[in-house]
Amino acid sequence: QVQLVESGGGVVQPGRSLRLSCAASGFTFSSYALHWVRQAPGKGLEWVAAMSYDGINKYYADSVKGRFTMSRDFSKKTLFLQMNSLRPEDTAVYYCAREKIIATLKGRFDSWGQGTLVTVSS
Amino acid sequence: DIQMTQSPSSLSASVGDRVTITCQASQDISNYLNWYQQKPGNAPKLLIYDTSHLETGVPSRFSGSGSGTDFTFTISSLQPEDVATYFCQHSDNLPPWTFGQGTKVEI
Repeated sequence: QVQLVESGGGVVQPGRSLRLSCAASGFTFSSYALHWVRQAPGKGLEWVAAMSYDGINKYYADSVKGRFTMSRDFSKKTLFLQMNSLRPEDTAVYYCAREKIIATLKGRFDSWGQGTLVTVSS
Repeated sequence: DIQMTQSPSSLSASVGDRVTITCQASQDISNYLNWYQQKPGNAPKLLIYDTSHLETGVPSRFSGSGSGTDFTFTISSLQPEDVATYFCQHSDNLPPWTFGQGTKVEI
């Protein structure tokens, strides 16, 4: 079955960097677009970033554009989110999620990881 | 960006009740509207995509309807395991793919 396992969260000071990972299994990694979605404590869901199945196309929310970079390692079946210049408002649980339909990028998230908590605080 | 307005923000109903949640998009999104269920401490789960299509394994008491800018999510007979927060989300064209604010359903 599809499994997504995030790691790399923790407590970090404002202005510092953090890299999140999402290890994928149970599906053909190179055939699906992937996303990062975050949820601030007690708040709603915010789409953060997306990458096409082939890694060519990347999209970012305005709130993270220029600070966050998404990448994927096809050999390790792992998705990454490099987060630079972190701000307190970036504090959230970060989920990786799989696009529902193979080889598309439509914003339908059919499988989610358990999430990893990032806390930005001095 | 497309804004999604969901209502109510919370509701309380009895087991067996019919529950309805509405979601309004700030512009026409055709039928590109999805619904997610999030139970406390868990990741969201896709229940319905493209307005009315149930994900595999989702009970038939869940349904969705609408088009354009106005959408409805219904639980025909509320069950104890349905206690959760429900989010609508548009998947129209290109990102950002925004979510509604969520509706907390209690019994």
